[in-house]
Amino acid sequence: EDQVTQSPEALRLQEGESSSLNCSYTVSGLRGLFWYRQDPGKGPEFLFTLYSAGEEKEKERLKATLTKKESFLHITAPKPEDSATYLCAVHQTTDSWGKLQFGAGTQVVVTP
Amino acid sequence: ETGVTQTPRHLVMGMTNKKSLKCEQHLGHNAMYWYKQSAKKPLELMFVYSLEERVENNSVPSRFSPECPNSSHLFLHLHTLQPEDSALYLCASSQERRQGKRTNEKLFFGSGTQLSVL
Repeated sequence: EDQVTQSPEALRLQEGESSSLNCSYTVSGLRGLFWYRQDPGKGPEFLFTLYSAGEEKEKERLKATLTKKESFLHITAPKPEDSATYLCAVHQTTDSWGKLQFGAGTQVVVTP
Repeated sequence: ETGVTQTPRHLVMGMTNKKSLKCEQHLGHNAMYWYKQSAKKPLELMFVYSLEERVENNSVPSRFSPECPNSSHLFLHLHTLQPEDSALYLCASSQERRQGKRTNEKLFFGSGTQLSVL
């Protein structure tokens, strides 16, 4: 069965302690992989789109990478404002337009 | 301000009530979506509208009825809901590309309506 799995479920970091989040996917064909950030009481906010294995995207302390089976979101020297739930989603080639399959998310807490 | 506004932010309703959720996007997008987010579960796509035409109904029970009168407004009409329907309901919009690869590049989400069904 096609699915998107994120790990770990929760991550507690000290400020400045770099780490990585994982998104593994099993789909019949990948049209795009998306990363979103969600703060409490708010809707998800778009971060990155990755289309093919080997692709990388960066934004401030965040860097997303993609292989044929998984994507990583690297957080370098995080700050407390990076605390949020990070969501991964895939758009499959076999799915109708507009249908994203989301993972359950990784909740990140960065303490000073 | 994300450009997608949802009202109300919170809603408590009984199982026999009828209520509506409203979404408005100010981004000039041509597609709008309803998603459901339950605690500790992935976001679930409910409905997709492209140019006011419903293009996706993801096996949603008939007690949820969407309406898209124009490209800027989206409603979700609720009636005879069940307690398990309690969740955060998120509206989103995007710009569909008509040429080349068809994929929704970026979804812009509203802040959601937190629904509790008693």
